[in-house]
Amino acid sequence: GIQVEQSPPDLILQEGANSTLRCNFSDSVNNLQWFHQNPWGQLINLFYIPSGTKQNGRLSATTVATERYSLLYISSSQTTDSGVYFCAVDMGTYKYIFGTGTRLKVLA
Amino acid sequence: KAGVTQTPRYLIKTRGQQVTLSCSPISGHRSVSWYQQTPGQGLQFLFEYFSETQRNKGNFPGRFSGRQFSNSRSEMNVSTLELGDSALYLCASSYGTASRGNTEAFFGQGTRLTVV
Repeated sequence: GIQVEQSPPDLILQEGANSTLRCNFSDSVNNLQWFHQNPWGQLINLFYIPSGTKQNGRLSATTVATERYSLLYISSSQTTDSGVYFCAVDMGTYKYIFGTGTRLKVLA
Repeated sequence: KAGVTQTPRYLIKTRGQQVTLSCSPISGHRSVSWYQQTPGQGLQFLFEYFSETQRNKGNFPGRFSGRQFSNSRSEMNVSTLELGDSALYLCASSYGTASRGNTEAFFGQGTRLTVV
């Protein structure tokens, strides 16, 4: 089956720093989403981005489907950005396959 | 617009019992899927329903089952609970399509099940 790998697994930043999270996938995908899981467990939608580039405030994402990767950029990080970031891909089979996540900690 | 609602939020059950979890999707969404999250296995797909039909099922034992009602609300049931079933169960709602895979999924707050 498709493999979804995220890197780095853990990231510690000082407030105000920028970061790039990566998601590699091993097969062609129909859809790709980025999520932020808050401390209470809820998955918060960040981007629905099967291809191209999108921006939302301090966050932006780029998916290069032909090269099978997606990047999530966080600029000017804040302590509230802490948590786990997941990418999830769908191959057209009505299910999302999740990566193992990147655990981000932003220090004040 | 109301989000995805899962009930109950927390549940403690004894080994051998059964449990039913409920999910109400966003109004107008016809696809509901379920995921299990554990520290060891991460987020794993359980099953997906669209217009009351199960279209895909993950690699879980038959003790895990689900259904979807005509109003798109969904329930999942776990029978003969085992300690390893302790997990966060997440429900996702999407508009859904008849044949082109997932559309954007929105998740509920989850049900945290503890089996003792």
